[in-house]
Amino acid sequence: SYELTQPLSVSVAPGQTARIICEGNNIGRKNVHWYQQKPGQAPLLVIHRDSNRPSGIPERFSGSNSGNTATLTISWAQAGDEADYYCHVWDSHTAVFGGGTRLTVL
Amino acid sequence: EVQLVESGGGIVQPGGSLRLSCAASGFSFSVYEMNWIRQAPGKGLEWLSYISERSTTIYYADSVKGRFTISRDDAKNSLFLQMNSLRVEDTAFYYCVRVISGNHFDHWGQGTLVTVSS
Repeated sequence: SYELTQPLSVSVAPGQTARIICEGNNIGRKNVHWYQQKPGQAPLLVIHRDSNRPSGIPERFSGSNSGNTATLTISWAQAGDEADYYCHVWDSHTAVFGGGTRLTVL
Repeated sequence: EVQLVESGGGIVQPGGSLRLSCAASGFSFSVYEMNWIRQAPGKGLEWLSYISERSTTIYYADSVKGRFTISRDDAKNSLFLQMNSLRVEDTAFYYCVRVISGNHFDHWGQGTLVTVSS
């Protein structure tokens, strides 16, 4: 079965750029989606199809995908960006999620 | 405004059954594909099942195949998950989720908690 690997945690200073990676075999050939989940809340779509932002998501959120790595980039990180982030792809009619990355802004 | 509201969660003994419901509003429910996704407390996201428009196509995760059944009632704008032979490891928040063209999950309900315990 297809697997997605994310780092458990990423830390960033306020105002700096955070990069969260999602690794999978030839993930560059798939559409990758990213979700933000804050404590006690349902996940929120922040990037779809590698690099597209839904309405209402700040331009500070961007994505890329190539080879075996997809990346979610959060520019000018703010305290409000602290959350768990999950990547997601479809493989053989199955939705696969990465294990999630806890972003800390300190 | 798109709204998805789950109900039916609760405490059930191992081996028991539960039926979750999801009431959809704010969009044309019948033309959208839907999913159930769960999250054990403190853990990551786990996709469970997908159902297409008109229920023509259904998929399940291996972990629930044969035990869970997804269904929909377009006349009532509702999605369901029948869960049988429940196990302790099925304890989780269960989310009703809309998917766009088999790609990204664009709207999530707030979830309903299922606890399987003796």
